[in-house]
Amino acid sequence: GQQLNQSPQSMFIQEGEDVSMNCTSSSIFNTWLWYKQDPGEGPVLLIALYKAGELTSNGRLTAQFGITRKDSFLNISASIPSDVGIYFCAGPMTTDSWGKLQFGAGTQVVVTP
Amino acid sequence: NAGVTQTPKFQVLKTGQSMTLQCAQDMNHNSMYWYRQDPGMGLRLIYYSASEGTTDKGEVPNGYNVSRLNKREFSLRLESAAPSQTSVYFCASSFTGDNQPQHFGDGTRLSIL
Repeated sequence: GQQLNQSPQSMFIQEGEDVSMNCTSSSIFNTWLWYKQDPGEGPVLLIALYKAGELTSNGRLTAQFGITRKDSFLNISASIPSDVGIYFCAGPMTTDSWGKLQFGAGTQVVVTP
Repeated sequence: NAGVTQTPKFQVLKTGQSMTLQCAQDMNHNSMYWYRQDPGMGLRLIYYSASEGTTDKGEVPNGYNVSRLNKREFSLRLESAAPSQTSVYFCASSFTGDNQPQHFGDGTRLSIL
């Protein structure tokens, strides 16, 4: 199957700083999804991207679907303590498997006051 | 809104014991999924059910069986638990079709001694 490489693995940032993380694939993706997981809970969908070049925002979060369709980026602006958690990228395993998601290993974000 | 409910939340088993993890959703979703989450590896799909009456293997199905009991419920069974199955298990559900987001439960934390 396709391999998703997510980086960085972890980030320690101060409140108010911006955060950037990315995900790359060895194969083309038709959809990129970004999830956040709070401690002790399941992942929650933040942003979904469906077209190459698409730039979508959700509050302080902005995600982009790379032009090559092999990468995606998530930015968090002006971080706050509740941004703490693990952020995952995900996409369909193959072009015809809309429901079978493959996840990156996650980026752990820690925000200090 | 209950969403996706998983039971139990925690369980400790001995090697060789059997166990069924329960999952129910109240969002009238057609499709349901079981994932496992291990440190540093993101979420991996075990089995999924595109619709009531159908099930199919995901990325890591060995050692597991599933039952789609009705539209609401999708259970995961470990017939003979092994230490390698120590993990956090997540159930998710979605409407069927392209670009339908998956909604996750809060997970079952399973330890096998």
